[in-house]
Amino acid sequence: EVQLVESGGGLVQTGGSLRLSCAGSGFTFTNYWMTWVRHAPGKGLEWVAHIKEDGSEKYYADSVKGRFTISRDNPKNSLFLQVNSLRVEDTAVYYCARRCASTNCYIYWGQGTLVTVSS
Amino acid sequence: QSALTQPASVSGSPGQSITISCTGSSSDIGNYNFVSWYRHHPGKAPKLMIYDVSYRASAFSDRFSGSKSGNTASLTISGLQAEDEADYYCSSYTSNSTYVFGTGTKVTVL
Repeated sequence: EVQLVESGGGLVQTGGSLRLSCAGSGFTFTNYWMTWVRHAPGKGLEWVAHIKEDGSEKYYADSVKGRFTISRDNPKNSLFLQVNSLRVEDTAVYYCARRCASTNCYIYWGQGTLVTVSS
Repeated sequence: QSALTQPASVSGSPGQSITISCTGSSSDIGNYNFVSWYRHHPGKAPKLMIYDVSYRASAFSDRFSGSKSGNTASLTISGLQAEDEADYYCSSYTSNSTYVFGTGTKVTVL
């Protein structure tokens, strides 16, 4: 059974940093692009970033470019999101998700980790 | 990277059909058949419903269908049921090698 479990969220002040983690199991982690998606309260889903199987390609939403860094540790089946220079508008539940096997969609999702940025 | 445009809300009576539109541009929906749809109950993990415009994920019956014309994709739910109440999001791959979600549609069953 595929499982994705996020951790690392919490309450942080404006300008602060956090490192979010996502532990994958039940599949060959190194074979899939992985992504981060967030859901701010009262707003819609927002795609944040994704990373290629071997970590050689990374892409970001304009809203987080230069502040967030996606990375992965394949031997440890782990995905990370380093979030710096946090703003109030970054308050959201952050989900990690695994790409579909052969096309561009996300089939497996974690339950999310909440990041709250206070001013 | 503007969000794809969806109606904020759509409602219908049990048994009726509803359609949710999702409008993008030639940089996303119009240029790729990588449109997917997700059902989301806030606080829970989003669930993939439709991928590659019209292919159903295994957990969803043929009451759910997807299509695309030009820069606009659509999700149709037929035989509406109470358990279909949720938020629905479209998503597309983009020419920047990124993804974009729609603004989201709240479906209410009257």
